[in-house]
Amino acid sequence: KNEVEQSPQNLTAQEGEFITINCSYSVGISALHWLQQHPGGGIVSLFMLSSGKKKHGRLIATINIQEKHSSLHITASHPRDSAVYICAVRLMTGGGADGLTFGKGTHLIIQP
Amino acid sequence: SQTIHQWPATLVQPVGSPLSLECTVEGTSNPNLYWYRQAAGRGLQLLFYSVGIGQISSEVPQNLSASRPQDRQFILSSKKLLLSDSGFYLCAWGARNSYNEQFFGPGTRLTVL
Repeated sequence: KNEVEQSPQNLTAQEGEFITINCSYSVGISALHWLQQHPGGGIVSLFMLSSGKKKHGRLIATINIQEKHSSLHITASHPRDSAVYICAVRLMTGGGADGLTFGKGTHLIIQP
Repeated sequence: SQTIHQWPATLVQPVGSPLSLECTVEGTSNPNLYWYRQAAGRGLQLLFYSVGIGQISSEVPQNLSASRPQDRQFILSSKKLLLSDSGFYLCAWGARNSYNEQFFGPGTRLTVL
């Protein structure tokens, strides 16, 4: 079983729709990241969360530490939001510079 | 401001040939450095991380190795590439005093034929 599970795997929606992507994890973490990967492969960090909620423009990320769950929401979706959205966590392994553990990503397509 | 560079952007190599991918970071000192790989149809996976010059930690056994000859330089290498080494390789850096935030390079797409 993967330590980080995302759903849905693929999502196609119409422009303007409210989008929700979910991420669940099974172990203790110190932080959770939402990343955006465009078709060329480049990755942009959208949010880093350890508790609560963050908002940036039309993007909102929430995390519930007790339930080990995070959501990424996109309001008023636009075709330029089409990308792969990846959830990644830093495991609470006792320190060090450990890297991130990733979900497999959600492939989002927003149709005009 | 900090920037991270990777090269080459794309690479096609025959099986059995050597590999050297380079990553450099500008605008910061003593960064933590990371190599990740994204194989076709799979999620990103941590390969190596480094907390300082000459200090390399490997996360998974594999055909690859990493080196950090300078503070802001991270190199991914192989003596003989396998077909399974194909994928998208990402370098990332994080500030020494903030283990949580990571910033990704543009990536190298490697195809082994």
